[in-house]
Amino acid sequence: QKEVEQDPGPLSVPEGAIVSLNCTYSNSAFQYFMWYRQYSRKGPELLMYTYSSGNKEDGRFTAQVDKSSKYISLFIRDSQPSDSATYLCAMSRVNTDKLIFGTGTRLQVFP
Amino acid sequence: GAVVSQHPSRVICKSGTSVKIECRSLDFQATTMFWYRQFPKQSLMLMATSNEGSKATYEQGVEKDKFLINHASLTLSTLTVTSAHPEDSSFYICSARSTSRGEQYFGPGTRLTVT
Repeated sequence: QKEVEQDPGPLSVPEGAIVSLNCTYSNSAFQYFMWYRQYSRKGPELLMYTYSSGNKEDGRFTAQVDKSSKYISLFIRDSQPSDSATYLCAMSRVNTDKLIFGTGTRLQVFP
Repeated sequence: GAVVSQHPSRVICKSGTSVKIECRSLDFQATTMFWYRQFPKQSLMLMATSNEGSKATYEQGVEKDKFLINHASLTLSTLTVTSAHPEDSSFYICSARSTSRGEQYFGPGTRLTVT
């Protein structure tokens, strides 16, 4: 069993839809959680960084962490074609540790 | 803020030659930098962790004599692919962890093609 599971998609939604991206993990020692967006042939871009259970909002993005269920989510409101990318969840035990990545979910937002 | 640069963005080299890739944190200090490799449609594979002023820690299966890493300052790490072969062709990405805040920021990547 992988430490971090993420549905690879692809996920295809119409413009304006609410997108839900999810990851589950098996190691309860993970305390720091991140979401990255990666466009084709580019490096990942940090979208959200959180270390506590609950919700964190930044513009159209909301990150949700449920440590009791070992489940994290990223919600994208009012999705745009420019959101079309691969979204990677990542986590670590302490903030000085290496990141463990999910496999990434490909998202396609069509006009 | 939090910009990481990589140079070069693309490089083509002949088999047997060595290639150096630079990773710089432009507006923050990074005690730790990481080097990843990514194959098409796959996730990131961590190659090594680089700490300023000390030897890099390599992941299992990564040849340290082939992938030389130097982290000479709090803003610069280099990866040298020695005696490159076509199977080393890949997308190499570095990341830098902010010393003060803990987040990791990625560079734009370097596409290496070995002919």
